[in-house]
Order: sequence, then C-alpha cells, then structure tokens
Amino acid sequence: RKEVEQDPGPFNVPEGATVAFNCTYSNSASQSFFWYRQDCRKEPKLLMSVYSSGNEDGRFTAQLNRASQYISLLIRDSKLSDSATYLCVVLLRSSASKIIFGSGTRLSIRP
Amino acid sequence: DTEVTQTPKHLVMGMTNKKSLKCEQHMGHRAMYWYKQKAKKPPELMFVYSYEKLSINESVPSRFSPECPNSSLLNLHLHALQPEDSALYLCASSQGLGASGYTFGSGTRLTVV
Repeated sequence: RKEVEQDPGPFNVPEGATVAFNCTYSNSASQSFFWYRQDCRKEPKLLMSVYSSGNEDGRFTAQLNRASQYISLLIRDSKLSDSATYLCVVLLRSSASKIIFGSGTRLSIRP
Repeated sequence: DTEVTQTPKHLVMGMTNKKSLKCEQHMGHRAMYWYKQKAKKPPELMFVYSYEKLSINESVPSRFSPECPNSSLLNLHLHALQPEDSALYLCASSQGLGASGYTFGSGTRLTVV
C-alpha cells in the first residue's frame, strides 16, 4: 500500500463547478499535511496547509480527519486557471523531516 | 527574498561527463532537499540536509553526490549518469522540520545522452 494515496483523476469539469479531491495516508506518525499545486513543467507550489479544524482560503477549503487518516480539498467556483495537478503531501514525524507526495490528481477546467 | 534559485535550468550531459547542479536560498532555512521528478510522477526524495549535515539519503546511487557548503547552498554533483537519470531535479528548503511546508526551486531539467 502506498503511504499517500490520491484520487487517480483526471478530473475534467466545467468552469464554475465545485470539485473535491480526496487523499488517504497510511502512517499514523504523520505530523503535518499540505496540498501543493503543480503546473505542467513547473515546480510544486504550496497551496495550503491542512488542519484538523479545517481551513479555508478563498475558494479553497481543506479538511483533515486524523481518525480516518483522510485529507480533502474542495475547490468552489472553479476557474480556468485552477487547471493543474494537485499533490497531497504528508510530513512524517521524525528526527529529520521527510515529506511524502501522493501521486497527484490532474484537474482540467473547461470553458 | 522567498525564493529558492536553481541553476542551470536545463542541462544536457553525456554519460561520461561530470556536472553539478546548484541550489541557493536566502530565507534562513536550515533544511534543504533534493528531489527527482520523472514525467507524470510525483517528486521522489533523494537527500535531506539539516543544519548542513546529511540526514537522509534515500539509497541514491553514488553517481549522485550531494554537498552542502554552507547554510544557503546545496549542490548535487553528477558523474557517469545513465539515460534513465534524465528527469527534473528539484531543490527545496524548509524552516525547521518543515511543518510550515517546503519552498521549491524551479528545477533543473536534466537530459543524459
């Protein structure tokens, strides 16, 4: 079993739609959680951290369920510019930091 | 300055060449990382430096040799690479153990011929 698993995608949705991504992680020692966005042939960029209380940043809402070892990302009113690969990322608790990437979910927004 | 700068952006090298990738950050981050990313795959961790000391080596072949000359610089020395080593090499840095996330450089796209 992979340490971080994501929806395989691709998601192809119309502009203005709401889309949700899910991610599960297997290591209960996981400490911190993030969603990164990666555009084609570019580096990953931090979209938002994910907290148990849930957090929102504009059209983006992230949620963490530690009991179920589950992370989600909700994008409301999607824009063409939201088209990218979304990576679920988990930081393992250890003496040296180590982040594990999910395989990514490709999102394509159509006009 | 909130950037991680990587040079060169593109590199083509032969299997007998020796080259180096460079990474620099001036955010005061004390942890720096090398990742390798193949097309349509997520980044894979190669090395972690914490306070200028190598703390994680993910069983990377010895043809890849990391070096951390100081807290702002991270190098990756390449020697006798194989065509399958062609990939995007990403450098990242983090404050502390990374609980606030990592900042990535734009990468070096390496082609081994």
